[in-house]
Amino acid sequence: AQSVAQPEDQVNVAEGNPLTVKCTYSVSGNPYLFWYVQYPNRGLQFLLKYITGDNLVKGSYGFEAEFNKSQTSFHLKKPSALVSDSALYFCAVRDPYNNDMRFGAGTRLTVKP
Amino acid sequence: DSGVTQTPKHLITATGQRVTLRCSPRSGDLSVYWYQQSLDQGLQFLIHYYNGEERAKGNILERFSAQQFPDLHSELNLSSLELGDSALYFCASSSHRAGANVLTFGAGSRLTVL
Repeated sequence: AQSVAQPEDQVNVAEGNPLTVKCTYSVSGNPYLFWYVQYPNRGLQFLLKYITGDNLVKGSYGFEAEFNKSQTSFHLKKPSALVSDSALYFCAVRDPYNNDMRFGAGTRLTVKP
Repeated sequence: DSGVTQTPKHLITATGQRVTLRCSPRSGDLSVYWYQQSLDQGLQFLIHYYNGEERAKGNILERFSAQQFPDLHSELNLSSLELGDSALYFCASSSHRAGANVLTFGAGSRLTVL
């Protein structure tokens, strides 16, 4: 079965600095990978996804993610963090042949002014 | 507004009781997913329905059951509630059964079991 791991419970960065939120995955076939963000008292919102092709995926709000097949990773990045980026970030994976989407435990990003 | 509607938003009940959470998917979406979000276990996949049929089952307890009706809305039934069932329950919908389709989440139903 597919799974994802987010090795960091918490990431702290200063505003204006680059940020990285890490994700590694395990899936039997070629994965579909996703990043979602959750703001307080809200549902999850889609940021970006990787299906195939270019390993660098661009998404909403200036976020991007880099797919690395050899390292089975899909790290979320942003060149310059904003205070408003502070939220809970979830990585998710779907095996193309399965019907469910599995989420990581989440990483809380805090951007300090 | 994501287009996925969940009711109730908040629910407080006692141990041993039974509750029903309701989800209306986004217009045109045939798939409904249920997830449980608790502080210590992250976002756990419970169950997936596509066009009225169960397609995948995750870490759903036997005390929990779900169904998707002909009008595509779904209900998650939680019975013999325990303190540990207190959590946020999310419903998400997508247009297809699988593949690279994005899930659209509702705002969640917060269940508190006292």
